[in-house]
Amino acid sequence: DAGITQSPRYKITETGRQVTLMCHQTWSHSYMFWYRQDLGHGLRLIYYSAAADITDKGEVPDGYVVSRSKTENFPLTLESATRSQTSVYFCASSEFGATNEKLFFGSGTQLSVL
Amino acid sequence: GQSLEQPSEVTAVEGAIVQINCTYQTSGFYGLSWYQQHDGGAPTFLSYNALDGLEETGRFSSFLSRSDSYGYLLLQELQMKDSASYFCAVRDPRNQAGTALIFGKGTTLSVSS
Repeated sequence: DAGITQSPRYKITETGRQVTLMCHQTWSHSYMFWYRQDLGHGLRLIYYSAAADITDKGEVPDGYVVSRSKTENFPLTLESATRSQTSVYFCASSEFGATNEKLFFGSGTQLSVL
Repeated sequence: GQSLEQPSEVTAVEGAIVQINCTYQTSGFYGLSWYQQHDGGAPTFLSYNALDGLEETGRFSSFLSRSDSYGYLLLQELQMKDSASYFCAVRDPRNQAGTALIFGKGTTLSVSS
């Protein structure tokens, strides 16, 4: 089915482990994003990508790594998970334009770091 | 820097009208977007204003005043299903490789019968 999908839906890991969250979109949108959502903080931008092999940091990039070798995939890796990275992670995609700022969000990954 | 301010909570009854305000501070402003998020769900796009004035889409309307750095989302004929969080968003002008949206902290709307 067309759309944007995230996996896994839920993940429990331990402090210090490496975790990769997957994001796949079928629209061939140029832009992809990772946000985390925590109570009291709303949606905060972690990383984004304007095209394959082009990525840039957002508001809260520390502790995260991204890659974008293919347009449709944008995985987010927590190199050494910490409890403060317990959060809900949303991937999104878009075709930004002069009058288009519509983001399409995936269903989210709920990550718990114990 | 960039900032968006919106009320944290709003309550209303079914059938009423509610307005959710958003004030923003940013350089390189393009427009103001609004997103809705139900509990446990993903944010979904509601509206986008690039020009001053009111945009209407069914029961929802969105307004922008660029000179006041202010906008609002107006929800009419409220229904229980409108209970959700609402976020305003603007483009982040800091990034060199492209652009992204930054979001306000959200307004939780509770609609009661």
